[in-house]
Amino acid sequence: SQTIHQWPATLVQPVGSPLSLECTVEGTSNPNLYWYRQAAGRGLQLLFYSVGIGQISSEVPQNLSASRPQDRQFILSSKKLLLSDSGFYLCAWSKSFLGRGVPGELFFGEGSRLTVL
Amino acid sequence: QKEVEQDPGPLSVPEGAIVSLNCTYSNSAFQYFMWYRQYSRKGPELLMYTYSSGNKEDGRFTAQVDKSSKYISLFIRDSQPSDSATYLCAMSGDKLIFGTGTRLQVFP
Repeated sequence: SQTIHQWPATLVQPVGSPLSLECTVEGTSNPNLYWYRQAAGRGLQLLFYSVGIGQISSEVPQNLSASRPQDRQFILSSKKLLLSDSGFYLCAWSKSFLGRGVPGELFFGEGSRLTVL
Repeated sequence: QKEVEQDPGPLSVPEGAIVSLNCTYSNSAFQYFMWYRQYSRKGPELLMYTYSSGNKEDGRFTAQVDKSSKYISLFIRDSQPSDSATYLCAMSGDKLIFGTGTRLQVFP
């Protein structure tokens, strides 16, 4: 069966510090991978998605970047965190690429709660 | 106007009650409609998924879509404390959009 792991679960970082959140998927190959941010009152906001190794698409211009160094690994990074980067970050995968009228299920990780002080 | 509107709640009901959760949308391109359930400090998980207007039932859960009114609902019968969670609607067409979620509390 497929599983998705995301870490760290919680972190508190000072403004201006770097960030690295990691996500790995097991039990499937060539997954479509996504990073979402969930903020209170704003729902799930798609930040990045990837349909293959080294292929990253950004949905929202911001202080963050993403990389996919391996087929089942997705990393969210920042060189200098801002207060506004605080939130709950969710990694997800799907079998088919979603969002262009294609139905399917997103499988989410447990999330990473980031607090920037 | 947001493409998807969802009342954030919280909605507090006694055990055994019928719960109605709703979303409205404005984008006519949406064709697929989903409900995700998210327990506290966890990622969302897909609960139900529908395509056409009408009802779809799965145990105590019924998803209803009215494309003419751009309105979708999730009904929970005989609600249980274990149903306490945030419920997010999601819609897919030219893009995939999530609602902000409605927090539901079912008390014993």
